[in-house]
Amino acid sequence: ETGVTQTPRHLVMGMTNKKSLKCEQHLGHNAMYWYKQSAKKPLELMFVYNFKEQTENNSVPSRFSPECPNSSHLFLHLHTLQPEDSALYLCASGHPPGLESTDTQYFGPGTRLTVL
Amino acid sequence: GENVEQHPSTLSVQEGDSAVIKCTYSDSASNYFPWYKQELGKRPQLIIDIRSNVGEKKDQRIAVTLNKTAKHFSLHITETQPEDSAVYFCAAKMTGGGADGLTFGKGTHLIIQP
Repeated sequence: ETGVTQTPRHLVMGMTNKKSLKCEQHLGHNAMYWYKQSAKKPLELMFVYNFKEQTENNSVPSRFSPECPNSSHLFLHLHTLQPEDSALYLCASGHPPGLESTDTQYFGPGTRLTVL
Repeated sequence: GENVEQHPSTLSVQEGDSAVIKCTYSDSASNYFPWYKQELGKRPQLIIDIRSNVGEKKDQRIAVTLNKTAKHFSLHITETQPEDSAVYFCAAKMTGGGADGLTFGKGTHLIIQP
């Protein structure tokens, strides 16, 4: 349960605020992911990082800005969000594609974001 | 890109009965299919997964079947118990490519009636 941690667990922000979500993994993985979970919608992949390099941006608006300073840490910087951005933001980690890949992704507990 | 459809959205079964959740996928290149269980207020947790080189995998009361030709896979839970109540998500992805994020279904809310 503590392999992937996220802070804060809850965040309320106004549309003009700037905030950051943090994710940390202690599993020795080299791939990290951001997903968005909204009510009545599937989990949506936002960003993928393999070995600190962004390998996928799933058409995410520029008001969401990811940062991966090393393989253990992932951030999601938020700026001028909209109320419809309110959701649970989940971080996950896993092994990148390769001979030793297990494909399994392990999720953090998420940050419940409310945009007023 | 990949599209995953999941049915039903809600499933209510009597305790002790079996539950089946079905998913279809669109991209024939997908070759990894995990199932996640998410209890209220908690993170999604992997319960079982299957790769395209096998047709069935079982782990105690949980099994997953895969039909590559029809591009569908199913989760089977036998002898259901109250603690099986949760939302279950299927997912698909292609391994070995540059992008390896999961594409999820919308989820099935499984309710176990005592």
